[in-house]
Amino acid sequence: EAQVTQNPRYLITVTGKKLTVTCSQNMNHEYMSWYRQDPGLGLRQIYYSMNVEVTDKGDVPEGYKVSRKEKRNFPLILESPSPNQTSLYFCASSSRRLAGGNEQFFGPGTRLTVL
Amino acid sequence: KQEVTQIPAALSVPEGENLVLNCSFTDSAIYNLQWFRQDPGKGLTSLLLIQSSQREQTSGRLNASLDKSSGRSTLYIAASQPGDSATYLCAATQGGSEKLVFGKGTKLTVNP
Repeated sequence: EAQVTQNPRYLITVTGKKLTVTCSQNMNHEYMSWYRQDPGLGLRQIYYSMNVEVTDKGDVPEGYKVSRKEKRNFPLILESPSPNQTSLYFCASSSRRLAGGNEQFFGPGTRLTVL
Repeated sequence: KQEVTQIPAALSVPEGENLVLNCSFTDSAIYNLQWFRQDPGKGLTSLLLIQSSQREQTSGRLNASLDKSSGRSTLYIAASQPGDSATYLCAATQGGSEKLVFGKGTKLTVNP
């Protein structure tokens, strides 16, 4: 089954404790992206990647890191999480660049709470 | 910077009604515009994608239109059903870039 998977689905952590949220897709997609969703603010793009070793900032990259060493994986790294990073995170992928007009497939989301 | 606005924020209609959801964007230099559906506690499901060169796309009871010159897109849902109840989000690319900007969504409730 074609899908985007995220782990963990739920995470409660404390300020300053490094964490990684994994994202994997099995569709051989080139484009992958991370979003966060907050009440009243909607979905905002954190980082995106157009291919292996090619990443770029979205609208809210501060406090986050990403890497794209393999085509299928796009982990989101929070080196020193803070309470304002408490949010619902989504990973998404599409077969080619957004400019190519390809729809995005979203993962189920990761609900992160930073105490 | 691209800004995407969706009005209304919430809409409640009786079953069977035809309805229109609105999306406006400030930067007309878009590659495409997408409509998504989000159910509570779930991820997003792509409904329709309209390329910048297209005027509309249809899928079943859904029809999305795009007017770049006025910075508007509409999602038309025909013969609404309770199962259509969800939040509908539109998203547009930003200024010829690979960034995607979302509206805050319209929460639709279809009452039986």
